[in-house]
Amino acid sequence: NAGVMQNPRHLVRRRGQEARLRCSPMKGHSHVYWYRQLPEEGLKFMVYLQKENIIDESGMPKERFSAEFPKEGPSILRIQQVVRGDSAAYFCATLEGIDNEQFFGPGTRLTVL
Amino acid sequence: TQLLEQSPQFLSIQEGENLTVYCNSSSVFSSLQWYRQEPGEGPVLLVTVVTGGEVKKLKRLTFQFGDARKDSSLHITAAQPGDTGLYLCAGDSSNTGKLIFGQGTTLQVKP
Repeated sequence: NAGVMQNPRHLVRRRGQEARLRCSPMKGHSHVYWYRQLPEEGLKFMVYLQKENIIDESGMPKERFSAEFPKEGPSILRIQQVVRGDSAAYFCATLEGIDNEQFFGPGTRLTVL
Repeated sequence: TQLLEQSPQFLSIQEGENLTVYCNSSSVFSSLQWYRQEPGEGPVLLVTVVTGGEVKKLKRLTFQFGDARKDSSLHITAAQPGDTGLYLCAGDSSNTGKLIFGQGTTLQVKP
């Protein structure tokens, strides 16, 4: 999957805590997409970032969620004051090729107790 | 809201049978991708189709993109237990890479 890395693979948080999910695309890849997969549902787009810029955040909840992709380092999806409904698998993907093919990381499974 | 309707949602067949999975939408897509996802892992790209009417083959898998680029199908010939998994279609309507996913088809192939 184009070497997209995500960590942690599993994250457990109690209600009200913060969750930080990291995504490292292969070196030189500057496009990152975040998707959420709720239990028994399909993947839903959250946000699209290029280095240092948010391009499209139309799928991101308006409150408690934020994303960044700094010049150096991984992309971070941050969820503040987590609630049980945030429990899901969060995937990031990077863009490659002339057909805008996306390659996904292994995901972070967030469980909110 | 753009939707990509994928059917069937569940499919259980015997080894050696053929099957077809469908993705339909009222929206036009610049490209459509098919993925396979194993439990606990991320989706793995199988194929991308971009041209209306395009047909791509990947061993026993045949992918077709509708002429109007609104629908696609995945046909598996002589299914094997190793084909068991979740199959997802995803369309890009904005040509920005932002994907709209179907609900997925869970395929079980029994030996």
